[in-house]
Amino acid sequence: DVKVTQSSRYLVKRTGEKVFLECVQDMDHENMFWYRQDPGLGLRLIYFSYDVKMKEKGDIPEGYSVSREKKERFSLILESASTNQTSMYLCASEDRGNTDTQYFGPGTRLTVL
Amino acid sequence: QKEVEQDPGPLSVPEGAIVSLNCTYSNSAFQYFMWYRQYSRKGPELLMYTYSSGNKEDGRFTAQVDKSSKYISLFIRDSQPSDSATYLCATGTASKLTFGTGTRLQVTL
Repeated sequence: DVKVTQSSRYLVKRTGEKVFLECVQDMDHENMFWYRQDPGLGLRLIYFSYDVKMKEKGDIPEGYSVSREKKERFSLILESASTNQTSMYLCASEDRGNTDTQYFGPGTRLTVL
Repeated sequence: QKEVEQDPGPLSVPEGAIVSLNCTYSNSAFQYFMWYRQYSRKGPELLMYTYSSGNKEDGRFTAQVDKSSKYISLFIRDSQPSDSATYLCATGTASKLTFGTGTRLQVTL
């Protein structure tokens, strides 16, 4: 079974803080993704990475950056957290074999006060 | 117009009912069609996927795709309280999925 883990289930930070969200997958997948999920807006892609040190902007990259130093780990960084970044953050890993399906982690619910 | 439209619900049905969940999409280039199930405070889990028009069945679940009308459906037979969750449709091309906003389903005893 594919396993995608995220470093925290719940996180509370203050405005202006630098925030790191970590994601690790154990299936040697090349592709990894960061989404945020908000009521009425669904999942929106922030960034994705198709290889180590490679990254591509998604639909809403503003205010975020990412890091992929190792294949299994993909980090999302909020350089200076703001209240409008309060959301559920979901990491996904993609099987590029037969199915091109994305497997999600449990999510991190981030609250920025 | 959103690329993928999905009625947010909530949809409430009695146990044993047949459930029909639907999405429409606008981009005829989309090739992959998936349904994810998301329980409260959890990440989405892949339920079904297909690449072509027609039906795909897995136990109580049937996914249906009609590319000509850009319509995707998920049917759940003999619904159970454990099916209560939010169901997300997803479609797109390789490595670029677009998700619906999800339909919240409640199956009552």
